[in-house]
Parts: sequence; C-alpha cells; structure tokens
Amino acid sequence: KAGVTQTPRYLIKTRGQQVTLSCSPISGHRSVSWYQQTPGQGLQFLFEYFSETQRNKGNFPGRFSGRQFSNSRSEMNVSTLELGDSALYLCASSLGGLGKYEQYFGPGTRLTVT
Amino acid sequence: SQQGEEDPQALSIQEGENATMNCSYKTSINNLQWYRQNSGRGLVHLILIRSNEREKHSGRLRVTLDTSKKSSSLLITASRAADTASYFCATVAGETSGSRLTFGEGTQLTVNP
Repeated sequence: KAGVTQTPRYLIKTRGQQVTLSCSPISGHRSVSWYQQTPGQGLQFLFEYFSETQRNKGNFPGRFSGRQFSNSRSEMNVSTLELGDSALYLCASSLGGLGKYEQYFGPGTRLTVT
Repeated sequence: SQQGEEDPQALSIQEGENATMNCSYKTSINNLQWYRQNSGRGLVHLILIRSNEREKHSGRLRVTLDTSKKSSSLLITASRAADTASYFCATVAGETSGSRLTFGEGTQLTVNP
C-alpha cells in the first residue's frame, strides 16, 4: 500500500498570505489528523477528521481550518499567515476506531513564513 | 501543551549498546505509542501498547507500561548507527479524544559507530 502523501513538501509564503496543504491518507483509512511541529512547542495536535467530519480540534486560532473529502483526502488551510506559523505540518492517517489504532505519518510540509 | 515528559532529552551511546528512554504522562490513557523521527522528517510508528498491557516487544524494541506510575519506557537493544533519531512517546487519552495523539518532548538518540 502506498503511504501517506503530503503536498507540497516545501512552501515559502509571506506574512498575511494564506496557504492550503494537502494530505492523501493510506487507502482504506478514514481518519486524518494534522499536527504542527516547531522547535519551541514540539508536536501539537491541530485537528482530526473522520468520515468528512471534524472529530477533534486542538487549541489553535480560527485561522487554522481543515476539511476532509469523501475519498478521505484532507486539506488544511491557514489564513493571514504569521511568522510563528513557520513549522513542519504533519498529516497522519489511521483506520479510525477512536484512537485504538496506530497512526501513519506523511513526510510533512515545511512551511516558511517570511 | 505536552502530555508529559521524556527523559533523557538527549542520549549518546556506542553501537551495540542498549538505549533506554522513559516517558511520563499526566492523564489516564487508552493507549501509548512510540514514534521515531529522523532529521525533521515524518514520524514512523514503532509500537502501540494498550492500557491493559504491561510489556510489548517488536524486534529489538521492548516497551513497558506502568499505568499506576503513568510511565512507559522504550528499550532498544544492540543499537545501530541507523537508530540515530528522535524518539517520541504519544498518548491517546480516551474514546472521546478520537485519534488525537498528545506527544512528549522527545529524546534525541545518537548512536556512535
């Protein structure tokens, strides 16, 4: 099976712009989660989608949003970018099952905001 | 915020030695998982241990879980240079948390050839 794919892998944006990141989960996986990784805050949970519904949300401002499509692919959007949004954004997929299964991570999208 | 802490923060050993990393967490859990990350890349799942399990093995990896002490340890035996990476523990709190993982701060392991 193909692994989790994320596009783009690298992105440079200017403060104030918006960005959309994409994640394709492993075939058959219905849960997609997003995480932000920074040197200062570590790995922080953004949100989880399951069957096109947001099942859980982390403590991030409303500028961070996401969605999931019927084929389980997911996108996350960050509007009005700030310098502090520079991070590695990781997507993970799992079978679902309310956290009973391991998660498989994509390679990440490294976002740099200048 | 991080669920817990990992220690040590950094560990440097020689090839062939064993490496032990510890993780503590704060709330009750459904399961605990260990992940490896190489140089800012994606995380690789290593082991999942459920709250009713005490020990689990996978190849050269051994994980223990002590829910009374809210702690876990990861042992890598006969380490190799290729094991050099950051290791993270992550917890899943309960069914209402969905698949949400709460990560520790990680241990940077360096295995010297």
